[in-house]
Amino acid sequence: GENVEQHPSTLSVQEGDSAVIKCTYSDSASNYFPWYKQELGKRPQLIIDIRSNVGEKKDQRIAVTLNKTAKHFSLHITETQPEDSAVYFCAATPPGGTSYGKLTFGQGTILTVHP
Amino acid sequence: DAGVTQSPTHLIKTRGQQVTLRCSPKSGHDTVSWYQQALGQGPQFIFQYYEEEERQRGNFPDRFSGHQFPNYSSELNVNALLLGDSALYLCASRQRTSGREETQYFGPGTRLLVL
Repeated sequence: GENVEQHPSTLSVQEGDSAVIKCTYSDSASNYFPWYKQELGKRPQLIIDIRSNVGEKKDQRIAVTLNKTAKHFSLHITETQPEDSAVYFCAATPPGGTSYGKLTFGQGTILTVHP
Repeated sequence: DAGVTQSPTHLIKTRGQQVTLRCSPKSGHDTVSWYQQALGQGPQFIFQYYEEEERQRGNFPDRFSGHQFPNYSSELNVNALLLGDSALYLCASRQRTSGREETQYFGPGTRLLVL
């Protein structure tokens, strides 16, 4: 089955700096890669996603890049703000078939943005 | 537009007992997945339901079972509770025929503590 590795496990930055979180996946058939933000005691919230037919996607301060050949994808947050502090999870899911819709998550990255 | 809802929010049980958790999907969604999130880890897929049937299952024992009702809501049942079942149980819903069928939205979760 799919395996997703996420790094780093913790990331501390100063307000205004950029933050980058990286994930690698094992199943070359996976074709959908969402990123979720989870604040303490709250639900995971989808912040951005990318499909395998796209190499990069941007939404304001957040961007995701995908390298299908190397089987890795990254989350980039620019101009970080204290409210960006949370746990971020990457995930992957394969295309149609017996595993369709099953998200495999990384271990999470605790991002702390210092004012 | 109502999002994904779950009940109860918190639950305390003792070893050996049984528990039922409930989920109502986001309006317009027909597919429900359940995830277990242990403290400090990413969510792990338990199973997925659509058309009132379990369609795929993660690496969880038969003590974990579920049901989906005609109105698309779902229940997760766990029998013979173990201490290790203590976790946040998340429900996620999606719409299979939307064109963005991979996108899943999470509920707030039910935090289960087994003593």
